[in-house]
Amino acid sequence: KAGVTQTPRYLIKTRGQQVTLSCSPISGHRSVSWYQQTPGQGLQFLFEYFSETQRNKGNFPGRFSGRQFSNSRSEMNVSTLELGDSALYLCASSLSSGGTWELFFGEGSRLTVL
Amino acid sequence: GNSVTQMEGPVTLSEEAFLTINCTYTATGYPSLFWYVQYPGEGLQLLLKATKADDKGSNKGFEATYRKETTSFHLEKGSVQVSDSAVYFCALTPYAAGGTSYGKLTFGQGTILTVHP
Repeated sequence: KAGVTQTPRYLIKTRGQQVTLSCSPISGHRSVSWYQQTPGQGLQFLFEYFSETQRNKGNFPGRFSGRQFSNSRSEMNVSTLELGDSALYLCASSLSSGGTWELFFGEGSRLTVL
Repeated sequence: GNSVTQMEGPVTLSEEAFLTINCTYTATGYPSLFWYVQYPGEGLQLLLKATKADDKGSNKGFEATYRKETTSFHLEKGSVQVSDSAVYFCALTPYAAGGTSYGKLTFGQGTILTVHP
């Protein structure tokens, strides 16, 4: 069974640009979550999608947005990039069967903003 | 709110040494508890989990016991290997998925483990 696939793995942008990251969940998983990982702040929750609906959102500015498609694939977008947006962005999928959450993570997309 | 506190690192050990990484949590009710591991340049992998008090999660020689009375979930391994060098994260989710808990794990700050031959 293929794992969570994230693309691109690495990218470099300049301040003011925007970026779109993609995530393909494990087959059959309908929930997709996004996290930002930085050395200073650690792992922070961005948002979660299920059946094309955002069910939960972390404390990030509106420049961070996402969406989910009918095949459960998800994208996140960051507009007007700032230097502080440099981070590893991790996507995770889950069966979302209630009770205990078990998240399966991809390898991440490492964004560098210059 | 929910929070997870891990022992400060980094931790440096010799091969075959005993490992303990402390983790304590603050949460209402009965959260589920997890240990994730992140190898260099990779994403997070679930190492083990426990869903109720006194449960012991185990995998690859690692163990952790859910202690409700001390709100702890310490990670242990009897004999570490060089290949165990990685960053270890303790995390929790509330018992019932819903509302502000959907898809959201609360992570500790991570503990860097380096094992020397």
